[in-house]
Amino acid sequence: NAGVTQTPKFRVLKTGQSMTLLCAQDMNHEYMYWYRQDPGMGLRLIHYSVGEGTTAKGEVPDGYNVSRLKKQNFLLGLESAAPSQTSVYFCASSFRGAYNEQFFGPGTRLTVL
Amino acid sequence: KQEVTQIPAALSVPEGENLVLNCSFTDSAIYNLQWFRQDPGKGLTSLLLIQSSQREQTSGRLNASLDKSSGRSTLYIAASQPGDSATYLCAVSPGANSKLTFGKGITLSVRP
Repeated sequence: NAGVTQTPKFRVLKTGQSMTLLCAQDMNHEYMYWYRQDPGMGLRLIHYSVGEGTTAKGEVPDGYNVSRLKKQNFLLGLESAAPSQTSVYFCASSFRGAYNEQFFGPGTRLTVL
Repeated sequence: KQEVTQIPAALSVPEGENLVLNCSFTDSAIYNLQWFRQDPGKGLTSLLLIQSSQREQTSGRLNASLDKSSGRSTLYIAASQPGDSATYLCAVSPGANSKLTFGKGITLSVRP
């Protein structure tokens, strides 16, 4: 099992550009999450999904959109990137919410110039 | 709003020492608590998950305890090794289908 994988690992964008981050899991987990991690701020939840076809807002959803068309994939989109979105983005999944442990991907380091 | 605090932010100990990492939370109505490890430039790895009905969990040299009434959890690492150097984060959830609230982590350095 590959676990949770994220694509790409690194990316540099210019302000106003758009991009999509892909998260894939092969553990048949229902729940998937997108977090951002910033120095001094800790991990903050952006969006999450409780199953295929569902999405919900987390703590810091502004400027991001998500889609969960397939159970194994969770996409995070930035429509118009801003320097404030420079961060490390982590995807995670769990079988059934907080009842089970969360498995994290390796992260995507995004820089917006 | 639940707040999770981990103090100190950084800790340096000599190899072989037994150590305790602390985690405190403001709302004792939690469903469970998880401890994670994060190596530099990597994602988080779940170490231990303690359900609210449990008082502790053990895995190898790691032991995590939970005291809901006082809003505290501790992660005990026995006979620390340089390979234990990492950032340790705790996170709590108010319900089975709820989201985790993370602390900012404790960066541990174990000196050879």
